[in-house]
Amino acid sequence: GAGVSQTPSNKVTEKGKYVELRCDPISGHTALYWYRQSLGQGPEFLIYFQGTGAADDSGLPNDRFFAVRPEGSVSTLKIQRTERGDSAVYLCASSREITGELFFGEGSRLTVL
Amino acid sequence: QKEVEQNSGPLSVPEGAIASLNCTYSDRGSQSFFWYRQYSGKSPELIMSIYSNGDKEDGRFTAQLNKASQYVSLLIRDSQPSDSATYLCAVRDASGTYKYIFGTGTRLKVLA
Repeated sequence: GAGVSQTPSNKVTEKGKYVELRCDPISGHTALYWYRQSLGQGPEFLIYFQGTGAADDSGLPNDRFFAVRPEGSVSTLKIQRTERGDSAVYLCASSREITGELFFGEGSRLTVL
Repeated sequence: QKEVEQNSGPLSVPEGAIASLNCTYSDRGSQSFFWYRQYSGKSPELIMSIYSNGDKEDGRFTAQLNKASQYVSLLIRDSQPSDSATYLCAVRDASGTYKYIFGTGTRLKVLA
């Protein structure tokens, strides 16, 4: 596609529920990144993929968070047993290669009640 | 903990003036530096990248890099009200993992 596409744009859920956030990167971009941004803060690194494999998942806050990219294109960020503190905008970005410039999607705003 | 530091602002400048945004980083081995603009409620968009010491100009924007001082800046000439946004500095991790570390951003307000 022309840009990075993220769905849903907004997700409201209840504490304890399971959530999936999807990212479709720019066609041909091999690297895909997930960030989380809270109000007034910069994007916080979560995980990035080079191809199908997670090259660095050091930013995932705990084992409730998991991400996959099974075919090297679309990625899904999965959050189990959501907590109110998980509320944030989840940003996905892609780049042509791991040394390239990042291009962001519009984000998925997650609200946990 | 590798860090990227920015003054949160707001930095207020009159229309037509030069806005100067600054960023320092802790990882001396970093080689790649980026400036992003983020309008309220929107996602970050890339303005410029810089990889070598010195200045890099693109239209009204100039990025400046000083690796010895671990300092990168962005100058916006002839500032316009439409430049009002948060400016994020990003540094690519030099440890080999290639993740990008962002500062908290500086909020710029250009006064008409």
